[in-house]
Amino acid sequence: TQLLEQSPQFLSIQEGENLTVYCNSSSVFSSLQWYRQEPGEGPVLLVTVVTGGEVKKLKRLTFQFGDARKDSSLHITAAQPGDTGLYLCAGTAYSGAGSYQLTFGKGTKLSVIP
Amino acid sequence: NAGVTQTPKFRVLKTGQSMTLLCAQDMNHEYMYWYRQDPGMGLRLIHYSVGEGTTAKGEVPDGYNVSRLKKQNFLLGLESAAPSQTSVYFCASSYSLTGQGAIWSNQPQHFGDGTRLSIL
Repeated sequence: TQLLEQSPQFLSIQEGENLTVYCNSSSVFSSLQWYRQEPGEGPVLLVTVVTGGEVKKLKRLTFQFGDARKDSSLHITAAQPGDTGLYLCAGTAYSGAGSYQLTFGKGTKLSVIP
Repeated sequence: NAGVTQTPKFRVLKTGQSMTLLCAQDMNHEYMYWYRQDPGMGLRLIHYSVGEGTTAKGEVPDGYNVSRLKKQNFLLGLESAAPSQTSVYFCASSYSLTGQGAIWSNQPQHFGDGTRLSIL
């Protein structure tokens, strides 16, 4: 079982600040996805990265896949209260014997204070 | 524009009772999944289905059964509920299997809004 470690576990910042959350593993991933989950709702996909070193931008959110495809980061510029939520990374990795496995990290809970 | 719909949204059971959680998707997705989400544990896969009439075990299948009699529906059953099964349950669907013993894919999983289940 591949493990995805997300850090920090909790983050509380003021509106307008920048922040970065991380998703790390010792395993190589074929692809990595970032989801955001708001209270009382299911996770919603933000982005998928598949190439080592890939950078994708979604408005104020910047996602980067590590060169070795073992880690990823999510950077938010000028955070807004609407960014509040649980951010989950999920990676697809080869688990042996022709099988692939999808693993979710435990998430980073972000609170943006107005 | 329903997507993935889960019923019920909330339920309280007594230990030993049984119940079935229903998941319905209107996106014609072939693959469906059941997860549980617990504080500090993240999302853990219970069972999944690669198509009508087929199911497979995930990471934490014990105490649960599933059925996929129709392509659009995926049912999760608890035969004899235990307090350890208190959790938030999420159903998800996707166009192609993302993980769990198949060709990898970067297709997203579409989640329902969850069922909050408490077992006393």
